[in-house]
Amino acid sequence: RKEVEQDPGPFNVPEGATVAFNCTYSNSASQSFFWYRQDCRKEPKLLMSVYSSGNEDGRFTAQLNRASQYISLLIRDSKLSDSATYLCVVNSYERGSTLGRLYFGRGTQLTVWP
Amino acid sequence: EAQVTQNPRYLITVTGKKLTVTCSQNMNHEYMSWYRQDPGLGLRQIYYSMNVEVTDKGDVPEGYKVSRKEKRNFPLILESPSPNQTSLYFCASRAPSRVGGYGYTFGSGTRLTVV
Repeated sequence: RKEVEQDPGPFNVPEGATVAFNCTYSNSASQSFFWYRQDCRKEPKLLMSVYSSGNEDGRFTAQLNRASQYISLLIRDSKLSDSATYLCVVNSYERGSTLGRLYFGRGTQLTVWP
Repeated sequence: EAQVTQNPRYLITVTGKKLTVTCSQNMNHEYMSWYRQDPGLGLRQIYYSMNVEVTDKGDVPEGYKVSRKEKRNFPLILESPSPNQTSLYFCASRAPSRVGGYGYTFGSGTRLTVV
């Protein structure tokens, strides 16, 4: 079973739509959670960290449910520039490691059309 | 500007010809890592390094070598490249504490084609 599972999409939505991505992780000891954005053929870039209480950054809202081992990303009022692949990332600690290791989901592709 | 620099950006080579992809970071990060990204498979970790002279295998280390002689540099070496190593490669480094969110900074990528 993969450490991090995501719906690959693709999600095709019109401008202004609200879209939600989901992600599940397998290691209950995971400590830190992130959403990354990756444009075509470019490097992944940190979009936002995900905190236990949920957090918002402008049109983006991230939520974490530790009991269900589930992370979500909500994008409101979608823009054309939001078209990208969104990667769910989990930091899990392994025995003997003080830093942990990042596990990446395969990504969810979003296309926003005019 | 804080960054991770990879070179070259694009490389076409022939099977068996040794090559090195360089990676350098200017953020004084201890942790560095190499990934390859293939369609449908996502990012897979090749090797990582917790600090100078400390390296370890990731999920797909076969056919690759790394070295970490100094903190800023973490080159990826393909001693005898094969066509199945054709891929998009990313180097990344991580902040050492929760202040940095443990998140990665990625290099711009190296698109390698082995013919």
